[in-house]
Amino acid sequence: DIQMTQSPSSLSASVGDRVTITCRASQSISNYLSWYQQKPGKAPKLLIYAASSLQSGVPSRFSGSGSGTDFTLTISSLQPEDFATYYCQQSYSTPYTFGQGTKLEIK
Amino acid sequence: QVQLVQSGAEVKKPGASVKVSCEASGYTFTSYYMHWVRQAPGQGLEWLGIINPSGGSTTYAQKFQGRVTMTRDTSTSTVYMELSSLRSEDTAVYYCAKSLTMSAPAAFDIWGQGTTVTVAS
Repeated sequence: DIQMTQSPSSLSASVGDRVTITCRASQSISNYLSWYQQKPGKAPKLLIYAASSLQSGVPSRFSGSGSGTDFTLTISSLQPEDFATYYCQQSYSTPYTFGQGTKLEIK
Repeated sequence: QVQLVQSGAEVKKPGASVKVSCEASGYTFTSYYMHWVRQAPGQGLEWLGIINPSGGSTTYAQKFQGRVTMTRDTSTSTVYMELSSLRSEDTAVYYCAKSLTMSAPAAFDIWGQGTTVTVAS
């Protein structure tokens, strides 16, 4: 199985901050990498697919980059509604594994 | 609009089985793969498997092989996930999620609201 490792596991930031979350795969996954946002009691929401493509309706302050084994999710200017948990996920090979999550909290 | 509506919460005893449904609407049901993902309380996301609603073919995570069965009913645009030999560690919210594109290796763009399955004696 491909292991997905996110860092950090938690992060405190302020509204307006620029935030970067990283995700590393245990082997190359090309660009088969997605990012999701999850708020408490809700289903995950797709933000980024194919490593850098912005899902329809997602604000442009979210961006993704990377290929192979190293990926990043960047939020250019944090908004109050962005405080949530973020997961990366590979769809290169089954089982389609997720990172352990990064909890983004208000400082 | 595109949506997935799942069946209601379940409480089961250890050793029992549970069957969760996921009804799709707003798109061509047979054109997009459907996945099942679960989330134990306070934990991360875990992929269980995938079904092709067109032909019914499935791929399961090795961890659940022999215990999980995914099926579909094209007449009602519904997919089902049955998990057997339940144990306390199976207590989780179970989600169905639609593939973004018409191929298996894709992101999950639409999710069901989740079904809470509680396993307790």
